[in-house]
Amino acid sequence: AQSVAQPEDQVNVAEGNPLTVKCTYSVSGNPYLFWYVQYPNRGLQFLLKYITGDNLVKGSYGFEAEFNKSQTSFHLKKPSALVSDSALYFCAVRVETGANNLFFGTGTRLTVIP
Amino acid sequence: ETGVTQTPRHLVMGMTNKKSLKCEQHLGHNAMYWYKQSAKKPLELMFVYSLEERVENNSVPSRFSPECPNSSHLFLHLHTLQPEDSALYLCASSQDQGFNQPQHFGDGTRLSIL
Repeated sequence: AQSVAQPEDQVNVAEGNPLTVKCTYSVSGNPYLFWYVQYPNRGLQFLLKYITGDNLVKGSYGFEAEFNKSQTSFHLKKPSALVSDSALYFCAVRVETGANNLFFGTGTRLTVIP
Repeated sequence: ETGVTQTPRHLVMGMTNKKSLKCEQHLGHNAMYWYKQSAKKPLELMFVYSLEERVENNSVPSRFSPECPNSSHLFLHLHTLQPEDSALYLCASSQDQGFNQPQHFGDGTRLSIL
């Protein structure tokens, strides 16, 4: 079965510091990995994806994520956090075979402290 | 993002009422999705439509009935709902069902069942 784990419900970071939001996955087959962000009272917004190729992918708003196959991880990172980055972040995975499902993690709430 | 529009934004209904949620996408996409978002739980995929045909129904109770009259519109008809159905219902669309296609979400309908 496919699954995604976001081990931290809450991440706090000071403005200007680097941030990391963790994600690990379990799939049978090659994974297609996504990060989404959700601001209050809004839907999910696509940030970035890993399909194949370079393990470091860059996305919107200065975010990037690193695919690590051996550790089955896809952590979201940003070199310098902004207060406006405070939101709920979701990691998601799809696979090439089987059901047409995008499997989401439970989300991590990021708070950037001024 | 205004590519996917959901109405109403908020809905309060009794267990015996019948109501419908509406989703419209202006992105020219061919696939549309309904998700249920509950606190502290991963997003639950409910239905998938591709080119107006339902291709996925994830064991959703029959009190939820989807309708896709064309590739731009998706409805979720509700009747005889239960209190546990209170949640945020998100609509999404993607170019097609390709595994590398990100999904674009609406801002959701917050549903409360009395």
